[in-house]
Amino acid sequence: AQSVSQHNHHVILSEAASLELGCNYSYGGTVNLFWYVQYPGQHLQLLLKYFSGDPLVKGIKGFEAEFIKSKFSFNLRKPSVQWSDTAEYFCAVNAGNRDDKIIFGKGTRLHILP
Amino acid sequence: DTAVSQTPKYLVTQMGNDKSIKCEQNLGHDTMYWYKQDSKKFLKIMFSYNNKELIINETVPNRFSPKSPDKAHLNLHINSLELGDSAVYFCASRKRESNTGELFFGEGSRLTVL
Repeated sequence: AQSVSQHNHHVILSEAASLELGCNYSYGGTVNLFWYVQYPGQHLQLLLKYFSGDPLVKGIKGFEAEFIKSKFSFNLRKPSVQWSDTAEYFCAVNAGNRDDKIIFGKGTRLHILP
Repeated sequence: DTAVSQTPKYLVTQMGNDKSIKCEQNLGHDTMYWYKQDSKKFLKIMFSYNNKELIINETVPNRFSPKSPDKAHLNLHINSLELGDSAVYFCASRKRESNTGELFFGEGSRLTVL
C-alpha cells in the first residue's frame, strides 16, 4: 500500500525567502502525485499535479514541484514566498494503475512572517 | 455555483446522537469520497463511491454509514456519536476514467460532539 511522508511539520519563513517542502512516497509502481493547499478555515485546493511527462511541474501562484523517481520524492518549491502563502500544504499520491485511493501526507504548516 | 457543496457546515451535538452530513457535486464526476480531518489536520480517507457503488471502505467504525443515491450525491450518516468523532469531514469528487484526475473538495463540515 502506498504512503506519503512530509518531513517538515511546521515551517516558519520571512517574506521573500525561498521555500522547499519535502514529500516522499512509498510505492514501487507508476504514481500520480499532487500538492494541495489549505488556507486557514478553507477547503483544500490543488496547487499542482504530476502524472507523466516533464518531471518539473509548474502550478498556480508561482509554485513548482519536481518528481525524482529514484528518490521517490516530489518536493514543492517557491523561489520567493509571500505572507498570503501562510497555509497548510499537503502532498498526496495515488497509484497509477486505476487505484481510486488518494493518500495524503500529514501536512506541513507554513507560516510566513510579514 | 459551488462545485462540491456540503451541508451542514457546522454541527454541534451531544454524545450518543445520530447525525447526517450531505454532499452534492455538480461537476459531472463519477467518484465521490469522504475524508476525515482531525485536530492535527491529518486527512484520512474513509469511503469512496463510484457510480453509486462502494469502492473504498477503510477501517472505519460501522457507526459510520455512507449512502450514495446517485453519482452526484454522497451522504454520511453517523450513529451513536462519540467524542472522538469530532473533526472536519470533507467530501470530494473526481473523474475516475482518466485516473489522473485530482480531487475537488467541498468546504468541509465541522462536527463537534459534546
